[in-house]
Amino acid sequence: ELKVEQNPLFLSMQEGKNYTIYCNYSTTSDRLYWYRQDPGKSLESLFVLLSNGAVKQEGRLMASLDTKARLSTLHITAAVHDLSATYFCAVGRGAQKLVFGQGTRLTINP
Amino acid sequence: ETGVTQTPRHLVMGMTNKKSLKCEQHLGHNAMYWYKQSAKKPLELMFVYNFKEQTENNSVPSRFSPECPNSSHLFLHLHTLQPEDSALYLCASSQEAGVSTDTQYFGPGTRLTVL
Repeated sequence: ELKVEQNPLFLSMQEGKNYTIYCNYSTTSDRLYWYRQDPGKSLESLFVLLSNGAVKQEGRLMASLDTKARLSTLHITAAVHDLSATYFCAVGRGAQKLVFGQGTRLTINP
Repeated sequence: ETGVTQTPRHLVMGMTNKKSLKCEQHLGHNAMYWYKQSAKKPLELMFVYNFKEQTENNSVPSRFSPECPNSSHLFLHLHTLQPEDSALYLCASSQEAGVSTDTQYFGPGTRLTVL
């Protein structure tokens, strides 16, 4: 059974700092997604990672995938308040359903 | 309307009521999904429809009944729910379920409260 674990689950940080959210998964997969969810709102797709070593960047967010370690990271550079949200990773394999992590609630303080 | 829309956005119902949630996607996708998001649990997949055929039922109780009349519309019919069914119900769509490059796009959700 595919299991996905994120850590940390809660993260409070100051503006301007860097930090990383980790997503570990238990079995081989062929795709990994990162989503963002603002309070009371839906999930917004951020990145899709399909191969070992894949790296994608959008603004202050950068996601990477290590399929051998079954690990993806979401790195935040010089955080700003607007990035406060809950971030989810989700992992899929073939035709099987996506399995989501628990989510990381990120709060960025001025 | 663009993207994925859901109605109603909020719903309060008693345990003996019957209600339906509606989802509509305007993206030309062929797959639609229902998810449940509870306060302290990961997002849980409930149902998947691919080209109008149900391809996944994730051991969902029969008090939840999905319906997909066409690739653009998805319903979740609710009856005799329990208070623990209170949650945010999210609809999503994608080009085709199970394809490695597929990305799901989510609607805003229906916040359901069962009294």
